[in-house]
Amino acid sequence: DGGITQSPKYLFRKEGQNVTLSCEQNLNHDAMYWYRQDPGQGLRLIYYSQIVNDFQKGDIAEGYSVSREKKESFPLTVTSAQKNPTAFYLCASSGRLAGERVLTTDTQYFGPGTRLTVL
Amino acid sequence: DAKTTQPPSMDCAEGRAANLPCNHSTISGNEYVYWYRQIHSQGPQYIIHGLKNNETNEMASLIITEDRKSSTLILPHATLRDTAVYYCIVRPPNTGNQFYFGTGTSLTVIP
Repeated sequence: DGGITQSPKYLFRKEGQNVTLSCEQNLNHDAMYWYRQDPGQGLRLIYYSQIVNDFQKGDIAEGYSVSREKKESFPLTVTSAQKNPTAFYLCASSGRLAGERVLTTDTQYFGPGTRLTVL
Repeated sequence: DAKTTQPPSMDCAEGRAANLPCNHSTISGNEYVYWYRQIHSQGPQYIIHGLKNNETNEMASLIITEDRKSSTLILPHATLRDTAVYYCIVRPPNTGNQFYFGTGTSLTVIP
């Protein structure tokens, strides 16, 4: 069953601690993304990666770090430098749909999200 | 990416068609119209997208006006599980970049 998984679903962290959120996809997509969503607001891009071993900062990268060592994995670390980390974190991927030989559009498919709360 | 305007909220009776409008008057010729929805505390779910022709899939229909300045997402027979926030997004293809989600339309399906 193809899709994107995120773990854990809920995460609690004490102030001053780093924490890593997992994102895995088995869609064979090249591109992966991390977004943050605050209550009643839209999504804001943290980091994205268009290919393995390469990633770019989004609009709100400060206090976050990522790695892309494998095509299927794009973990996000929320560091102690992030001033207000409590939020809903969403991972997405995009690429050719099953059966497509050519990339026509890059529709993004999202995981179920991780809700991070700093205590 | 072109800016979109959606009503903040709408109600629809269960079993009736839900018609969700979106204005995108500054859309460029190569920009697609995408629709996603987000049920509370879940990740956004892709619904449908189109360029200029009307599109239909198992979830919904997308009607784009001839001048492409507005579009309507149609859920033909709304159910309680369709209660969600619906986002209309326009963007050029294959940019490999983010989708700009605004605040969308909160649709409530009423029994």
